[in-house]
Amino acid sequence: KAGVTQTPRYLIKTRGQQVTLSCSPISGHRSVSWYQQTPGQGLQFLFEYFSETQRNKGNFPGRFSGRQFSNSRSEMNVSTLELGDSALYLCASSLDGLSGGYTFGSGTRLTVV
Amino acid sequence: GQQLNQSPQSMFIQEGEDVSMNCTSSSIFNTWLWYKQEPGEGPVLLIALYKAGELTSNGRLTAQFGITRKDSFLNISASIPSDVGIYFCAGRISSGSARQLTFGSGTQLTVLP
Repeated sequence: KAGVTQTPRYLIKTRGQQVTLSCSPISGHRSVSWYQQTPGQGLQFLFEYFSETQRNKGNFPGRFSGRQFSNSRSEMNVSTLELGDSALYLCASSLDGLSGGYTFGSGTRLTVV
Repeated sequence: GQQLNQSPQSMFIQEGEDVSMNCTSSSIFNTWLWYKQEPGEGPVLLIALYKAGELTSNGRLTAQFGITRKDSFLNISASIPSDVGIYFCAGRISSGSARQLTFGSGTQLTVLP
């Protein structure tokens, strides 16, 4: 069974640009969550999608957005990038977000210069 | 919001020694999860706990869900070099809109030969 696939693995962007990250969950998993990991703040919850609907959102500005497609694949978008957005962005999939553990992808390392 | 206090922050141990780390919360969780993260990778689920008082093992790893539902611990017995990594606890409240994981700050484990 394939794991959670995140693309790209690495990304370098300039301040002010926007970026889109992609996540393909494990087959059959309908819940996809996104987390930001930084040395200072640790792992912080961004948002969770289930059946193409955002069910829950963390405390991040509106520049951070996401969506989920009918095949459960998800994308997150960050607009008007700031230096502080440099982080490892992790996607996690789960059957329904309520039971079982979450399986994480390897992440996308975003560097904003 | 919920906060998880994970301790210790780091540990240096000799190969063969046992390790113990724990997490405490200001809130009640319905699920406790323990993850291990290695450099350049996403967190990997080690153990999932779903009931207060539950004690679960996975090879040399043993974790318990505290009776108060506000704490959990992870023990690693007879440590080996490949145990090196960052261990995270995570709690989840699976009700309402709170389908998200709250992570501890991590325990950096170093195993000395």
